[in-house]
Amino acid sequence: DGGITQSPKYLFRKEGQNVTLSCEQNLNHDAMYWYRQDPGQGLRLIYYSQIVNDFQKGDIAEGYSVSREKKESFPLTVTSAQKNPTAFYLCASSIAVGKRGIRNQPQHFGDGTRLSIL
Amino acid sequence: EDKVVQSPLSLVVHEGDTVTLNCSYEVTNFRSLLWYKQEKKAPTFLFMLTSSGIEKKSGRLSSILDKKELSSILNITATQTGDSAIYLCASNAGTYKYIFGTGTRLKVLA
Repeated sequence: DGGITQSPKYLFRKEGQNVTLSCEQNLNHDAMYWYRQDPGQGLRLIYYSQIVNDFQKGDIAEGYSVSREKKESFPLTVTSAQKNPTAFYLCASSIAVGKRGIRNQPQHFGDGTRLSIL
Repeated sequence: EDKVVQSPLSLVVHEGDTVTLNCSYEVTNFRSLLWYKQEKKAPTFLFMLTSSGIEKKSGRLSSILDKKELSSILNITATQTGDSAIYLCASNAGTYKYIFGTGTRLKVLA
């Protein structure tokens, strides 16, 4: 079945350490996104990518980095510069807006990675 | 600043009750409104609304958009314990821009 796979489910980060969260999709979607979810807050966009080798900062990109070397994969690195990384991280994908006249598209989400600080 | 506000923040009902969840939005480039259900992990897509007054239904769930009032409601009839979840509302406010509300946490008691 098609879907989005995030790994690991749980991750612990030591101070000063960079950690990478994996996101893989087999939906053949062009667009991929990373969100952060904190208790009592809505999902906030970290980065998004419309096509391979291109990505854009979202609202809270500081302390994070991404790459998009393959259509299926959009890993997120939480760097040591991110001082408050404890959160639930969600990866999503969608059909590229504008492709074949498509204007509005729902996003499909992975099961998330819960990141905590040791 | 674009924003989406959901109410109530949380709700506790008994099985069989009907609930109405509210979502209001202020976005400068509104394209659509989406509802998701989030249990413990991935939000799952429920509805996407683009036109006012057209109700979308899926089983016991239904939703409608009011573009004049900049709002949407999600109704769940004959609630079951399996409906317990966080319900997220989001507005597509640009090509790749989705503004999410904080969610309504629904708990259905047996």
